[in-house]
Amino acid sequence: EPEVTQTPSHQVTQMGQEVILRCVPISNHLYFYWYRQILGQKVEFLVSFYNNEISEKSEIFDDQFSVERPDGSNFTLKIRSTKLEDSAMYFCASSDRADSPLHFGNGTRLTVT
Amino acid sequence: AQRVTQPEKLLSVFKGAPVELKCNYSYSGSPELFWYVQYSRQRLQLLLRHISRESIKGFTADLNKGETSFHLKKPFAQEEDSAMYYCALSRGGSEKLVFGKGTKLTVNP
Repeated sequence: EPEVTQTPSHQVTQMGQEVILRCVPISNHLYFYWYRQILGQKVEFLVSFYNNEISEKSEIFDDQFSVERPDGSNFTLKIRSTKLEDSAMYFCASSDRADSPLHFGNGTRLTVT
Repeated sequence: AQRVTQPEKLLSVFKGAPVELKCNYSYSGSPELFWYVQYSRQRLQLLLRHISRESIKGFTADLNKGETSFHLKKPFAQEEDSAMYYCALSRGGSEKLVFGKGTKLTVNP
């Protein structure tokens, strides 16, 4: 069964550094998402992306965040200047239609020191 | 604003016992409700959604609009059901999922 893959599984970075989290969605999917989960808290929506543009974003997704689909397979989340509070598990997800269930990746654990 | 509440952070039952994981939501429109499960060291995966009205791995969930609930039930829990369970909501026309905090279910032998 095809899966969403995320790399790296764990990323450690220093405060103020830029970080790029990478995702390869399922190949025929058109809708892409990023969610995050701070330790001990709920999974929170960050952004959805369709047709090469952001379709919806949350309050968390401020100017420090950006997403890109640089080619036909990757979907990236960039954090320009990381803060301690950005430490979390970041999940990528994709779906083939807007009303289809999401398929999640295994997540990238980001630790900002 | 949409909100999903899972009142139990931890739930422990014995194998063969019935289990009910509670989920309440607040949303004024017609939501779509989901249960996602995350087994140890695995990814979040869809368990069931209310519009499908199907039973997956013996689990069922009924949307009760009067009580704004979508509790997940299984009559006889198995050890392999031990996992984190997340209730989630999406509103019509939106792709965004709003998750509850999750309930960790432990099924003891």
